[in-house]
Amino acid sequence: GAGVSQSPSNKVTEKGKDVELRCDPISGHTALYWYRQRLGQGLEFLIYFQGNSAPDKSGLPSDRFSAERTGESVSTLTIQRTQQEDSAVYLCASSLVGSDTQYFGPGTRLTVL
Amino acid sequence: GENVEQHPSTLSVQEGDSAVIKCTYSDSASNYFPWYKQELGKGPQLIIDIRSNVGEKKDQRIAVTLNKTAKHFSLHITETQPEDSAVYFCAASIGGNFNKFYFGSGTKLNVKP
Repeated sequence: GAGVSQSPSNKVTEKGKDVELRCDPISGHTALYWYRQRLGQGLEFLIYFQGNSAPDKSGLPSDRFSAERTGESVSTLTIQRTQQEDSAVYLCASSLVGSDTQYFGPGTRLTVL
Repeated sequence: GENVEQHPSTLSVQEGDSAVIKCTYSDSASNYFPWYKQELGKGPQLIIDIRSNVGEKKDQRIAVTLNKTAKHFSLHITETQPEDSAVYFCAASIGGNFNKFYFGSGTKLNVKP
């Protein structure tokens, strides 16, 4: 079946602009996670969704970052007033309720000039 | 919070040799430890995982060991092949529903033919 998809695959933007990154989880996966991966580093947790609600936003780096999820499906991560330090690959993962296994999408590579 | 350290950062082996990657974690409450393989331009893919109630798990050429007392776990790849070349990440989590992973910084494995 279809895996987790993310769009766009690459995004180049200018400092100060807003960007929206999209994640389509595997159908039926209630849990959805966003991670950030800086060049040559591991994955940092940003936020997760349980259905459409986000019980844990502790990883969001600043109030410029926000995320929402609708219909227990697609999620959007928004970064306002982008800064160069926001440049990274943003990964989305989803999982079934009761399962530890997270399935990752291919990521969106964000470059802020 | 949890802190996961991973070593080495790079590992080069000859085809057919074994490769070992080690991780330590800090939170004794962590009880689920997955390993992910990330190929260039792709999202991480789960290759094996272990829970704290077992000390070792094998899947063909891949094995993971866990020492709860010492809070460390290792990935062992035997009979390495060029297609094993990738970045490998360990992670730790408390497990259960909607759990966030804490990732190591990654090991770039290069298998020379």
